[in-house]
Amino acid sequence: AQSVAQPEDQVNVAEGNPLTVKCTYSVSGNPYLFWYVQYPNRGLQFLLKYITGDNLVKGSYGFEAEFNKSQTSFHLKKPSALVSDSALYFCAVREALYNFNKFYFGSGTKLNVKP
Amino acid sequence: NAGVTQTPKFQVLKTGQSMTLQCAQDMNHEYMSWYRQDPGMGLRLIHYSVGAGITDQGEVPNGYNVSRSTTEDFPLRLLSAAPSQTSVYFCASSYQRGAKDTQYFGPGTRLTVL
Repeated sequence: AQSVAQPEDQVNVAEGNPLTVKCTYSVSGNPYLFWYVQYPNRGLQFLLKYITGDNLVKGSYGFEAEFNKSQTSFHLKKPSALVSDSALYFCAVREALYNFNKFYFGSGTKLNVKP
Repeated sequence: NAGVTQTPKFQVLKTGQSMTLQCAQDMNHEYMSWYRQDPGMGLRLIHYSVGAGITDQGEVPNGYNVSRSTTEDFPLRLLSAAPSQTSVYFCASSYQRGAKDTQYFGPGTRLTVL
């Protein structure tokens, strides 16, 4: 069965420092992987996705994520955090071939960036 | 484009009442879906649709019905509300497959069942 794990409920980082939000996944076949961000009382906004090709994916607001097939991970990264990056981040997976109509989301990681 | 719109924004129901959460999109997306968001559990898929007249169940379909009579609209019906259905509900839409399958989310409906 498909699943996504975000092992950290919360990540705290100082402004200007690099940040990493972790995500691991489990799918039967090849994955499509996504990161979304949610600001308070808002819907989810798309950040980036991995479909195929280069393992390093660049997205909105300076975020990037690295697909690691052997470790089944898709960690979200940013070289220099901003206070405005503070939000709830969700990783999601969709199977590329079979059962591709269902998205599975992780439980979310709250990112706190302190000035 | 308005994107994905949801109404109402907030709703309070009593146990046993029924209601319909509305969702509409103006991007001509084939795929639409409903999620519920609960603390510590992320988003869980309730139902989805790959086109007008076609719907299917997600992870947590019990207690909810959907229909898709047009490409634009995908209402979610609670037949007999229960306190366990207190949650924030999000509707999302996307193209069906391929590189354009990024989902666009509505602003959400916060539902409380007393």
